[in-house]
Amino acid sequence: KQEVTQIPAALSVPEGENLVLNCSFTDSAIYNLQWFRQDPGKGLTSLLLIQSSQREQTSGRLNASLDKSSGRSTLYIAASQPGDSATYLCAISGAGSYQLTFGKGTKLSVIP
Amino acid sequence: SAVISQKPSRDICQRGTSLTIQCQVDSQVTMMFWYRQQPGQSLTLIATANQGSEATYESGFVIDKFPISRPNLTFSTLTVSNMSPEDSSIYLCSALRNENTIYFGEGSWLTVV
Repeated sequence: KQEVTQIPAALSVPEGENLVLNCSFTDSAIYNLQWFRQDPGKGLTSLLLIQSSQREQTSGRLNASLDKSSGRSTLYIAASQPGDSATYLCAISGAGSYQLTFGKGTKLSVIP
Repeated sequence: SAVISQKPSRDICQRGTSLTIQCQVDSQVTMMFWYRQQPGQSLTLIATANQGSEATYESGFVIDKFPISRPNLTFSTLTVSNMSPEDSSIYLCSALRNENTIYFGEGSWLTVV
């Protein structure tokens, strides 16, 4: 059974800092990995999707990497802004499945 | 991007009652799912809502407790039956389009008292 772990559980940084969020998983037989953002009282917004054959994806100030062999993914946020404050969730779909297994998330606070 | 609307967005329910959550997608999607997010926990898949047939439930979830309907390609309902305080959670509907793109609704926040 796939298990997804996110470290740290919470992170507070001053505005402008670059930061890295970590995600690890136990089963490397994945279909894809996604990073989501969840704002308080809101649903989930997909940020980046990495297919199992890819090593990274970039969107604006966000860069996500995937290393299947070590069971790890990172989400890099450059030049953080207060508007980046949210909970970031890592989710994995297994081979042949569209169902997602989620980590517990990292709650990010960017201090102005 | 797909727009997913959920109703109700929030509700306070009495113990022992049942509540049906509706999920409407603005266009046809291939698959729909229901997730639960208990306080302080991650999202857990309840079931896959199958169009025109019975939902496929994950381990730990049963049809009697969480009956699901999906009468067409854009609409699904999840009922939380005979609620107890342990059912207090956020219930999220999600939809899959184009094999890779998954969208989520804003969730239904249920508190059982």
